[in-house]
Amino acid sequence: GQSLEQPSEVTAVEGAIVQINCTYQTSGFYGLSWYQQHDGGAPTFLSYNGLDGLEETGRFSSFLSRSDSYGYLLLQELQMKDSASYFCAVGHQAGTALIFGKGTTLSVSS
Amino acid sequence: NAGVTQTPKFRVLKTGQSMTLLCAQDMNHEYMYWYRQDPGMGLRLIHYSVGEGTTAKGEVPDGYNVSRLKKQNFLLGLESAAPSQTSVYFCASSRDRGGSTEAFFGQGTRLTVV
Repeated sequence: GQSLEQPSEVTAVEGAIVQINCTYQTSGFYGLSWYQQHDGGAPTFLSYNGLDGLEETGRFSSFLSRSDSYGYLLLQELQMKDSASYFCAVGHQAGTALIFGKGTTLSVSS
Repeated sequence: NAGVTQTPKFRVLKTGQSMTLLCAQDMNHEYMYWYRQDPGMGLRLIHYSVGEGTTAKGEVPDGYNVSRLKKQNFLLGLESAAPSQTSVYFCASSRDRGGSTEAFFGQGTRLTVV
């Protein structure tokens, strides 16, 4: 089977940096993605790591270590609008299926 | 530019009734997915399709059927609805496999089975 583990909740203050970790176990691994979902809304794509290393997109960065089956999402210069749920997802079965973790709720306070 | 459109947005069903949820995408994507989202459970994959005429089971397929007769449409059917199927259903599509490209989501269908 497959499983993804990420913390259920993280809290931080505006301007801070927060890291959301994700460990995975899956067959036919095909990369790690991150999605953001605001309350009641549709998930939206943030980043993808197919190879080991760091990918940076503005205030957000994502990291992957395939040997450790581990990745993280790094959010810098936090803003109130970053309060949302964040999901890691893996391409499973050689990438034909996209499987999500249970999500991490990030609360940013002033 | 519509992207992924789900129909309907809300529905209340009685136990035992049937219904079909429609997902339509206008991006010519090969891959399409149906998920359900319940509190604390994240997004769980119900069924998916890797191209027109193909379907495959995901993590929680029981009680659901799907069809992909046209590339742009992916239908999710509930033959005999049960209260346990009360959930928010999301459809998504992507150009390439497994998250290597962005998956686009519809706005969701909020289904209540009473």
